[in-house]
Amino acid sequence: DAGITQSPRHKVTETGTPVTLRCHQTENHRYMYWYRQDPGHGLRLIHYSYGVKDTDKGEVSDGYSVSRSKTEDFLLTLESATSSQTSVYFCAISEQGGLITEAFFGQGTRLTVV
Amino acid sequence: SQQGEEDPQALSIQEGENATMNCSYKTSINNLQWYRQNSGRGLVHLILIRSNEREKHSGRLRVTLDTSKKSSSLLITASRAADTASYFCATAMEYGNKLVFGAGTILRVKS
Repeated sequence: DAGITQSPRHKVTETGTPVTLRCHQTENHRYMYWYRQDPGHGLRLIHYSYGVKDTDKGEVSDGYSVSRSKTEDFLLTLESATSSQTSVYFCAISEQGGLITEAFFGQGTRLTVV
Repeated sequence: SQQGEEDPQALSIQEGENATMNCSYKTSINNLQWYRQNSGRGLVHLILIRSNEREKHSGRLRVTLDTSKKSSSLLITASRAADTASYFCATAMEYGNKLVFGAGTILRVKS
């Protein structure tokens, strides 16, 4: 299995609080992605990174920010959590982006906002 | 809206039967990929087909791609109970580095 670790695996937080999810990889892959998975929607791209300090928005980026200060770590922050952000969050990595190679996924973080 | 849309949303078959899932997409792609997700787990890559390819095989998997119709199909032959999972298609755009997923097909193989 590709070396991807998401933390925490489960989190319950209150509305209005900031939350940070971490994705750590040991594969030295250039591209890292954050997706959220909700019933009936499949996976929707939140943000992605194509290098250290290089990030771009996905299709559902509102309310989320990301940072990548090291190749191995990609952080997703919910600036002020809302109930609509209750979801399962997946991190993925790819060596050369979606253009050429497959993505490898972490095990997911189940986030509940109450 | 989603780039890829799978059809059917759910499929239930007997062990040994073949399972076919379809994916349609909207814009030009560089490649199309299929992933499997077992309940409560992350996604696992199954197969990648490039835009200049029409068919690809991997074990019991057969993928076709029709770029004129912007569609792909995944065929799982001689299905097993262990194939029970959700299957997603994902498209890599012709330009850019995003991988965009569809809503998935839930496959149940009954033993």
